[in-house]
Amino acid sequence: AQSVAQPEDQVNVAEGNPLTVKCTYSVSGNPYLFWYVQYPNRGLQFLLKYITGDNLVKGSYGFEAEFNKSQTSFHLKKPSALVSDSALYFCAVSLGDTNAGKSTFGDGTTLTVKP
Amino acid sequence: EAGVAQSPRYKIIEKRQSVAFWCNPISGHATLYWYQQILGQGPKLLIQFQNNGVVDDSQLPKDRFSAERLKGVDSTLKIQPAKLEDSAVYLCASSSGLAVTDTQYFGPGTRLTVL
Repeated sequence: AQSVAQPEDQVNVAEGNPLTVKCTYSVSGNPYLFWYVQYPNRGLQFLLKYITGDNLVKGSYGFEAEFNKSQTSFHLKKPSALVSDSALYFCAVSLGDTNAGKSTFGDGTTLTVKP
Repeated sequence: EAGVAQSPRYKIIEKRQSVAFWCNPISGHATLYWYQQILGQGPKLLIQFQNNGVVDDSQLPKDRFSAERLKGVDSTLKIQPAKLEDSAVYLCASSSGLAVTDTQYFGPGTRLTVL
């Protein structure tokens, strides 16, 4: 079985400050990890993914995430938050070493960036 | 490039009624997914198609839910009869290949309210 935990329902940061949205995972094997963002009344948009290789993954809109195997984490980060980053963020995991797996999503973290 | 289209965007029905949702994926995308997203939770995969074949429907409540993708392009998800707990946003996504690492592109979703 595979699962994802996003321990914070809400994250609040001031514009210009760094932001971190946390994600931990559980999977019986090597993971594939994903981050998506959901704006109000819109579908999910892909941000970035970790498949293999460099533990630091860079994605859209200046976001990056660091894969930490020992801590089973894949936290989303951005050096300087924008008000427009305010949205709902989802982490997802699937079993690696196979291309046929399905993704399991966390319950989401609402990010609010205040001016 | 046109995105994933879904209709209707909103639907309100009484319990025990039937409802159908339609999805048109990005042109040329072989794989189509239907997800259920209950308020406050992450998306949960209901069914995955590759072309017109079902790859995974293990989480589809088959006593009331059905889905088809007859010509390998657009797809319909049906609920008959609906229950209160079916109130959710139904998301359709598509990807160019079958691999879980292929980026999924999501539609805006259909918000279903069952009264």
